[in-house]
Amino acid sequence: QKEVEQDPGPLSVPEGAIVSLNCTYSNSAFQYFMWYRQYSRKGPELLMYTYSSGNKEDGRFTAQVDKSSKYISLFIRDSQPSDSATYLCAAFSGGYNKLIFGAGTRLAVHP
Amino acid sequence: EAGVTQSPTHLIKTRGQQATLRCSPISGHTSVYWYQQALGLGLQFLLWYDEGEERNRGNFPPRFSGRQFPNYSSELNVNALELEDSALYLCASSLGDTGGLEAFFGQGTRLTVV
Repeated sequence: QKEVEQDPGPLSVPEGAIVSLNCTYSNSAFQYFMWYRQYSRKGPELLMYTYSSGNKEDGRFTAQVDKSSKYISLFIRDSQPSDSATYLCAAFSGGYNKLIFGAGTRLAVHP
Repeated sequence: EAGVTQSPTHLIKTRGQQATLRCSPISGHTSVYWYQQALGLGLQFLLWYDEGEERNRGNFPPRFSGRQFPNYSSELNVNALELEDSALYLCASSLGDTGGLEAFFGQGTRLTVV
């Protein structure tokens, strides 16, 4: 079992839709949870990260962590065609000293 | 401010050869991380260097090695290339030894082994 699981999609939504991207993880030691966006032929870009459980909002993006169910979510409101990219979740613990990534979900937002 | 730069952008090698990939971190960043992104597998952690020392290593064979220079730039070497080594190799850097938190990624080097 992978330590961070993510449905690869692809996920196709119309412009303006609310997008929900999800990951699960298996290691209770993970403390930080991150979401990256990766456009085609580019390196990943950090969108946001949260520490432990809770929500974090940044503009149209909301990250949510539920440590009791080991579930990580990213919500995108009012999705735009420019949001079309691969979204990667990642987890980190000080004990591991490395990021563990999910496989990434490819998102397509069509006009 | 210049971001993380990687060279070359593309590299084609024959099985059994050696590949050398280079990374220049953001100015002031002392930690450099290397990841392999194979198709459909997400990013797999390879190596972490900080202040010239190897701080952590992923589950890769010893033919994957690297180093960090006094100017904090880094090199990843892959010996005895295998077809399965074909992937995008990403370098990231961070201010201080965060282990990868708040690291910024470069564009990657696409390595193709034929």
